[in-house]
Amino acid sequence: GQSLEQPSEVTAVEGAIVQINCTYQTSGFYGLSWYQQHDGGAPTFLSYNGLDGLEETGRFSSFLSRSDSYGYLLLQELQMKDSASYFCAVPSGSARQLTFGSGTQLTVLP
Amino acid sequence: AAGVIQSPRHLIKEKRETATLKCYPIPRHDTVYWYQQGPGQDPQFLISFYEKMQSDKGSIPDRFSAQQFSDYHSELNMSSLELGDSALYFCASSLGLPNTGELFFGEGSRLTVL
Repeated sequence: GQSLEQPSEVTAVEGAIVQINCTYQTSGFYGLSWYQQHDGGAPTFLSYNGLDGLEETGRFSSFLSRSDSYGYLLLQELQMKDSASYFCAVPSGSARQLTFGSGTQLTVLP
Repeated sequence: AAGVIQSPRHLIKEKRETATLKCYPIPRHDTVYWYQQGPGQDPQFLISFYEKMQSDKGSIPDRFSAQQFSDYHSELNMSSLELGDSALYFCASSLGLPNTGELFFGEGSRLTVL
């Protein structure tokens, strides 16, 4: 089966940098995705790491180390609108499903 | 750009009733997914369809069933509703998973069971 661990809560101030970690255990590994979800809204795709290393998309970056079964999402220049839940996720089963971690609630303070 | 369309957006039912949710995936996407999300929880995978054939099955109760039709829209049927079925139900579609890791989610259908 699949198991993804991430911190339940993170708090930071506007303009700061925050890192959300994710460790995973999977029976087969394709890559690690990150999603953002605001309260009552739909999950929105942020990034995907299929290979080791850093992927950068604007203020957001994501890192993967397959040997350590570990990845992180880095959010820079935090804004109030970044307050949301962030989920790491992995394709699993026959790869036609995405298993989500329990989510990290990010609160950005003024 | 076209997005995933779900209907209805809100639904209120009594215990033991039946509910049907509809989903219209993004055109040319090959896979449709259904997820259930309770308050403060992560999205729980229910079922997926690849090219209209059932692919993976997750924690979907036996009271629930789903199918994908020839026009690619999908329906999730929920019978003998229980209070615990109250949740947000998301449909998503994708092209190229697992190579892209990207699912496109609809806005969700909020089911309330009284």
